[in-house]
Amino acid sequence: DQQVKQNSPSLSVQEGRISILNCDYTNSMFDYFLWYKKYPAEGPTFLISISSIKDKNEDGRFTVFLNKSAKHLSLHIVPSQPGDSAVYFCAASETGGFKTIFGAGTRLFVKA
Amino acid sequence: DTAVSQTPKYLVTQMGNDKSIKCEQNLGHDTMYWYKQDSKKFLKIMFSYNNKELIINETVPNRFSPKSPDKAHLNLHINSLELGDSAVYFCASSRTRSGGTEAFFGQGTRLTVV
Repeated sequence: DQQVKQNSPSLSVQEGRISILNCDYTNSMFDYFLWYKKYPAEGPTFLISISSIKDKNEDGRFTVFLNKSAKHLSLHIVPSQPGDSAVYFCAASETGGFKTIFGAGTRLFVKA
Repeated sequence: DTAVSQTPKYLVTQMGNDKSIKCEQNLGHDTMYWYKQDSKKFLKIMFSYNNKELIINETVPNRFSPKSPDKAHLNLHINSLELGDSAVYFCASSRTRSGGTEAFFGQGTRLTVV
């Protein structure tokens, strides 16, 4: 039962353009969402998060948008850089819960 | 100075063997985790300890046993290894046990059972 879904296994974007990574969730109790970035042979590293009381959170080139009614969130990277090439994991949790549920990841390729 | 370190990085072993993976964090965090990334690339939580107390124990075979001697260490022992145990295992830690807390991951241990 995949509660967090990243339906695009991969995405290719030209350097300087916008990268949009999507994530859908099924559990309406989720109220906190995180994005992690992972390079090969390394562990995931935290990138940005958003609480369900907000619909947008921005940190530099990275912005996460949350649409609660659609149970959908997206990560925007503008402008995309070759160093952004990595696997991006979407994750979700609920207040009072101890677990964070991860999606399968989307591999982003940024072409120079 | 690595925040979350796990050893070994690679582990190749035969079916039926017993092996351990060690994890240490120097961040002063209260909570530590073991995740498994299988062939489908999902990161699935296996165990979580908070101040040496087990708080998450997912549906994992009894052959997997975590041990937390202190809150800075969480080791994973696997008995009678099977082919299906081949995966990348990640250790992680977080400041609190709340599920939405940012987690810091180790570099992973790629386990191959032959």
